Amino acid sequence: KNQVEQSPQSLIILEGKNCTLQCNYTVSPFSNLRWYKQDTGRGPVSLTIMTFSENTKSNGRYTATLDADTKQSSLHITASQLSDSASYICVVRVEGSTLGRLYFGRGTQLTVWP
Amino acid sequence: KAGVTQTPRYLIKTRGQQVTLSCSPISGHRSVSWYQQTPGQGLQFLFEYFSETQRNKGNFPGRFSGRQFSNSRSEMNVSTLELGDSALYLCASSSGLAEVSTDTQYFGPGTRLTVL
Repeated sequence: KNQVEQSPQSLIILEGKNCTLQCNYTVSPFSNLRWYKQDTGRGPVSLTIMTFSENTKSNGRYTATLDADTKQSSLHITASQLSDSASYICVVRVEGSTLGRLYFGRGTQLTVWP
Repeated sequence: KAGVTQTPRYLIKTRGQQVTLSCSPISGHRSVSWYQQTPGQGLQFLFEYFSETQRNKGNFPGRFSGRQFSNSRSEMNVSTLELGDSALYLCASSSGLAEVSTDTQYFGPGTRLTVL
């Protein structure tokens, strides 16, 4: 069964600290994995996209990694800021599909305290 | 360019009523997808429209329907509302080119529907 599991469900860190969010998937055949950031009251915004051949990709203070063998991805946030408080959603796309074959994790709710 | 817009932003209805939500995609995008988001279930795919045709459909009852117009604007309709339909409804637009596996979806701000 195609599934995307994210951990932890919620996380609280102090401003300036680093954190890592996890995404495990059983989706097959794999096409790509995307991390979204969703601020409260807004729609998700794409942070990074990882394809099968990519191990690491950075977007500012956000670094995503992908291990296609173990079907795991992580999103590392460096030197967190208050504006990083949001829900982070992992989405995996099935190969050869249109957008209807996207599998969503339930997200990790990150809270950054001053 | 302008982002995805959704109207209305907030809506309160009672059980049994019906509701229509609207989504205007980014100019040039031909695909519009609809999602239901609740705290317990996360994002759930409703359906996708491409060039006025429903291309994909999620596992929702027939009370949930949609359509897309020739200008790519889309509407979603929910009939006979139930309490469990209370959620944030998001639409997302993209170019919709299936061969572009990295095609990005751009989400609107959502419509918050409350069913009393």
